[in-house]
Amino acid sequence: QSVLTQPPSASGTPGQRVTISCSGSSSNIGINYVYWYQQLPGTAPKLLIYSNNQRPSGVPDRFSGSKSGTSASLAISGLRSEDEADYYCAAWDDSLSGWVFGGGTKLTVL
Amino acid sequence: QVQLVQSGAEVKKPGASVKVSCKASGYTFTSYGISWVRQAPGQGLEWMGWISAYNGNTKYAQKLQGRVTMTTDTSTSTAYMELRSLRPDDTAVYYCARSVGSDYHFDYWGQGTLVTVSS
Repeated sequence: QSVLTQPPSASGTPGQRVTISCSGSSSNIGINYVYWYQQLPGTAPKLLIYSNNQRPSGVPDRFSGSKSGTSASLAISGLRSEDEADYYCAAWDDSLSGWVFGGGTKLTVL
Repeated sequence: QVQLVQSGAEVKKPGASVKVSCKASGYTFTSYGISWVRQAPGQGLEWMGWISAYNGNTKYAQKLQGRVTMTTDTSTSTAYMELRSLRPDDTAVYYCARSVGSDYHFDYWGQGTLVTVSS
């Protein structure tokens, strides 16, 4: 049972826009930054979004993040086949005094 | 370029210990921390703890307190994670990741080390 809640799966066709939600609480997302990681099959996670809505150098602007209250979202526009991966949200939890993750969302490009 | 290269796969029996290494390059090792995150087969990510490469300060996940020890060797820019009293449910891929910023989030990750615990 993950502290942050994500839908287990999402899907879209090439060119579409999809969003992945991440729900938390007042001890994590409500007061701390949210991060998003992309994990391609068989590889290590890669930082996709930091500090709620910032993209590291090299991450396409098709990826965007937002946060409102105790929830956050990752949006992917202009969906491409290479976006097929698992996506995880993460935040520091002040009550647990540690990092917590969502259970991950498997994105399928139809 | 920042690189974190981890040691190879391990097979251990229940009750044993494992020590995984993570060699950093491409940045000033002591200017950042190292976090450890694990992923059981087919499961999500679980944070294990963090160590400052500057002064060795550590913070461990409550669930692993007493079983995990994280250390660094600044002379070789290498971080280590030792997990003791291994159980079958410790079977996972263990990742090291560079920790950055005031909240020590993870920006670069190692390739992962599979640790299998089986009798």
